[in-house]
Amino acid sequence: GNSVTQMEGPVTLSEEAFLTINCTYTATGYPSLFWYVQYPGEGLQLLLKATKADDKGSNKGFEATYRKETTSFHLEKGSVQVSDSAVYFCALGGPGTYKYIFGTGTRLKVLA
Amino acid sequence: DTEVTQTPKHLVMGMTNKKSLKCEQHMGHRAMYWYKQKAKKPPELMFVYSYEKLSINESVPSRFSPECPNSSLLNLHLHALQPEDSALYLCASSHGTYNEKLFFGSGTQLSVL
Repeated sequence: GNSVTQMEGPVTLSEEAFLTINCTYTATGYPSLFWYVQYPGEGLQLLLKATKADDKGSNKGFEATYRKETTSFHLEKGSVQVSDSAVYFCALGGPGTYKYIFGTGTRLKVLA
Repeated sequence: DTEVTQTPKHLVMGMTNKKSLKCEQHMGHRAMYWYKQKAKKPPELMFVYSYEKLSINESVPSRFSPECPNSSLLNLHLHALQPEDSALYLCASSHGTYNEKLFFGSGTQLSVL
């Protein structure tokens, strides 16, 4: 069946450091891939998405590229801020289903 | 309006109580979801309504009863819950086709005593 594997956290970085959070997946067919972010006490918000191989999703300085050859969708940001401190979830959607598979989440803490 | 609104934000209930969680969206979305999230865990799918019909029930105990009165509203009726049901309950919606992004509400933090 479909699955998502996400790197364990927590990840602690200094402000302006480079961020990578690894995400790999297994899936049949052609799923869509997502990164969601959850701030304390809130629901999840979509950060970015990609719907096919080689697509690059980007938003707020975050980027991730849908790599079919390595079945990966790693999240990157060139310079993190304290306000980026949150939990990040990689997720896989479909095809042909409303079931989204979420990774276990990676907690990011950015220190000033 | 790109919001999913959930009420109440916090709920404390006893094991013999009956309560309801409410979710509302006005984005014209035709798929609505209930997720349960325990602390430091990812959301777990409970139910999906597609075009106001129950599409997915992830073998959720009958003490949780979903209802979709119309395309904008989603309820979750709670009865005879157990302490282990304490969690953050998240409502989400999407356009109605597969693989679309989910819009989440802020959730209801439920404590069962």
